[in-house]
Amino acid sequence: GAVVSQHPSRVICKSGTSVKIECRSLDFQATTMFWYRQFPKKSLMLMATSNEGSKATYEQGVEKDKFLINHASLTLSTLTVTSAHPEDSSFYICSAQTDRGYNEQFFGPGTRLTVL
Amino acid sequence: GNSVTQMEGPVTLSEEAFLTINCTYTATGYPSLFWYVQYPGEGLQLLLKATKADDKGSNKGFEATYRKETTSFHLEKGSVQVSDSAVYFCALSVLNQFYFGTGTSLTVIP
Repeated sequence: GAVVSQHPSRVICKSGTSVKIECRSLDFQATTMFWYRQFPKKSLMLMATSNEGSKATYEQGVEKDKFLINHASLTLSTLTVTSAHPEDSSFYICSAQTDRGYNEQFFGPGTRLTVL
Repeated sequence: GNSVTQMEGPVTLSEEAFLTINCTYTATGYPSLFWYVQYPGEGLQLLLKATKADDKGSNKGFEATYRKETTSFHLEKGSVQVSDSAVYFCALSVLNQFYFGTGTSLTVIP
């Protein structure tokens, strides 16, 4: 149980275009989902926390208008990178917390974004 | 504040060697502690966890003990295999917020 999927696993796009990444909890309801960004050989940087039906809470330094997060349902959150630039190229990982109040996050497999 | 300090890598070991990856933490409140493993090109997988002092988490031959007196959660394995080559992240969770260490890359050579 507690499986989280991400789609797509890899995406290559041109500079200036927008890319949407989906994060789904497959067998549980996720009241809270998290989006992380991982730079090469670095740790995970929390970008934002999203709760179903409300606006995401962004970490300091993360541009809200560039990284749009929508938590449309208890099983789906999306991250849209708008007007992507090469510096947005990174590995994006989502995680989800169950509605059972257990202090644990379940991670998706990640999405590799390359902006040309 | 809350933070995790992990030993820097990379670590290279021969197969069947003993592994220790050090992890210490600072936290307000009562954190849960975790080790995650990331294989190349993949996301994070939970390796083991401990939710209170003196708990020992274990999985796939890996162990870590929650030591409150030394604020540590060192990862150990008695005999590593080539398939253990990955990046290992120590993490703590408090008030539903996660804090990760910088990761330690492990390479096991035959």
